[in-house]
Amino acid sequence: EVQLVQSGAEVKKPGESLKISCKGSGFSFTNYWIGWVRQMPGKGLQWMGFIYPGNSDTRYSPSFQGQVTISADTSINTAYLQWSSLEASDTAMYFCARHGGNSGRRNPYDYWGQGTLVTVSS
Amino acid sequence: SYVLTQPPSVSVAPGQTARITCGGNNIGSKSVHWYQQKPGQAPVLAVYADSDRPSGIPERFSGSNSGNTATLTISRVEAGDEADYYCQVWDSSSDHVVFGGGTKLTVL
Repeated sequence: EVQLVQSGAEVKKPGESLKISCKGSGFSFTNYWIGWVRQMPGKGLQWMGFIYPGNSDTRYSPSFQGQVTISADTSINTAYLQWSSLEASDTAMYFCARHGGNSGRRNPYDYWGQGTLVTVSS
Repeated sequence: SYVLTQPPSVSVAPGQTARITCGGNNIGSKSVHWYQQKPGQAPVLAVYADSDRPSGIPERFSGSNSGNTATLTISRVEAGDEADYYCQVWDSSSDHVVFGGGTKLTVL
């Protein structure tokens, strides 16, 4: 069974760093693009970027380039989303999701993690 | 950057047909995917590659894509279909994923 299991909710202060995770199982983790999607409270889905764990090829949305870092550790089938200095505006739910099938990034997100709620407040 | 435009809301009575549009420049040349998201849940893929359904998605859900508009059609709408719906494409020119702003489907 394909699963993406994300790390738990986080409460942080502005200026703190954070790394959240997304562990894949039930599929060949190195052979699928994994994306990250932000959903601010009451708002829509925003694509942040994706990574191909097999070679760490990564793309970022212009809106998030330089603001976050996406990485992966293939030894433990886990993708990460990282901030070096959080802001209150980073408060949101963050989802990881897998691009399915053999056509990579053109394919839809067929499996999603359960989401990680990040709250940034002083 | 590529932009997808959805109506903020669509309302329909039970048993009727709901149509949710997704507009984009020459979107007919792209592969469009649709997601359903209920409150407090992760999105679920409802239709992919314009008109295909994942296993487990009712046949009432269908899609089309031509010109500058893609459409998600939900036939014989049920109360359980009430949710937010998002269209999504991969823009090959920028190598980025793009989501529409989302449409809230209300079942009257």
